[in-house]
Amino acid sequence: AQSVTQLGSHVSVSEGALVLLRCNYSSSVPPYLFWYVQYPNQGLQLLLKYTSAATLVKGINGFEAEFKKSETSFHLTKPSAHMSDAAEYFCAVSDRGNQGGKLIFGQGTELSVKP
Amino acid sequence: DTGVSQNPRHKITKRGQNVTFRCDPISEHNRLYWYRQTLGQGPEFLTYFQNEAQLEKSRLLSDRFSAERPKGSFSTLEIQRTEQGDSAMYLCASSFTGVLYEQYFGPGTRLTVT
Repeated sequence: AQSVTQLGSHVSVSEGALVLLRCNYSSSVPPYLFWYVQYPNQGLQLLLKYTSAATLVKGINGFEAEFKKSETSFHLTKPSAHMSDAAEYFCAVSDRGNQGGKLIFGQGTELSVKP
Repeated sequence: DTGVSQNPRHKITKRGQNVTFRCDPISEHNRLYWYRQTLGQGPEFLTYFQNEAQLEKSRLLSDRFSAERPKGSFSTLEIQRTEQGDSAMYLCASSFTGVLYEQYFGPGTRLTVT
């Protein structure tokens, strides 16, 4: 069965500092991987996705993630944090063999940005 | 493109009552998903439709839960005899099979069972 583990339920960084949110997955086949962001009282917005093209994926708002098969990881990074990046971030996996495309989410990481 | 909409945004109900939520997907999307999110957790898959056909249901979806998408457009999720454990955010998402697995989420319906 597929699963996703996000290391750290809460991450705090200073404005301008590097953002690193960790995600490890478990899957018997190469998966599709996603990062979503959720602002308070809102739905989820797709930041970026990996679907077996380039292993370094660039997304919206300056975020990027690198797929590392050997480490079963898909960590999310941003070189310089902004106050507006404060939100909940979810990593998700989908089995490419599952034609329905349902998503399996991690527990989420809350990002705080200090001025 | 007006996005995925969900109604109501908030629902407070007493234990034992029935509730129904509605989701209107992006108009050209043929797939529609329901997820449930409890406080401090990631969303959990409940069920999905392709057009009007319900193709998969999670074991989380007890007999008290039923979902429909009668004309392949909007969908409803009904919970009968609500329990306090049903309190959660219910999220709807839609996608188009031509855009690989990219799901667009609505704002959710927050259910509180008292």
